[in-house]
Amino acid sequence: AQSVAQPEDQVNVAEGNPLTVKCTYSVSGNPYLFWYVQYPNRGLQFLLKYITGDNLVKGSYGFEAEFNKSQTSFHLKKPSALVSDSALYFCAVRDGTGGSYIPTFGRGTSLIVHP
Amino acid sequence: NAGVMQNPRHLVRRRGQEARLRCSPMKGHSHVYWYRQLPEEGLKFMVYLQKENIIDESGMPKERFSAEFPKEGPSILRIQQVVRGDSAAYFCASSPPGTGASTGELFFGEGSRLTVL
Repeated sequence: AQSVAQPEDQVNVAEGNPLTVKCTYSVSGNPYLFWYVQYPNRGLQFLLKYITGDNLVKGSYGFEAEFNKSQTSFHLKKPSALVSDSALYFCAVRDGTGGSYIPTFGRGTSLIVHP
Repeated sequence: NAGVMQNPRHLVRRRGQEARLRCSPMKGHSHVYWYRQLPEEGLKFMVYLQKENIIDESGMPKERFSAEFPKEGPSILRIQQVVRGDSAAYFCASSPPGTGASTGELFFGEGSRLTVL
């Protein structure tokens, strides 16, 4: 079985400050990890993924995420938040060892960036 | 290259009616996933299909719900005899065959928002 936990329903940050959106996962085999963003009344957009290699992954819109195997975490980060980053963020995991291609999503974290 | 197309974007049904949601995957994609999004619950997997085959329907209720992805035409999620609890946003996602599918990145449509009165 695989699962994702996003412990914060909402994250508030001031514009220009760094942001972190937390994600921890559980999976039997090798984790494939993803972050998606959803703007109001829109579909999910892919931001970045970790499959293998460097633990720090860079993605769209200046976002990055750090894979930490020992802590089973994949936190999303950005050095300087923008008001336009305000959206719902989803972390997802699937087992990269084989079997199902179906990713499991977290419940989502609402990021609010204040001017 | 058009993205994943879902229609209708909004659908209103009365209890007991049928709802049909359509999804055309991205060109070249042969894998389709349906997810349901409810407030406070996140995105829940429903069914995974390839052309003419249901691969995994473990997330789909056993009754009233069905899905298909025919050889020609869009994938369809069908909900019979809708109830108020079916009100949600239904998202379709697609991925390409082969190596693209194995990395698991999904491409999502804009969703179909079902309201049951």
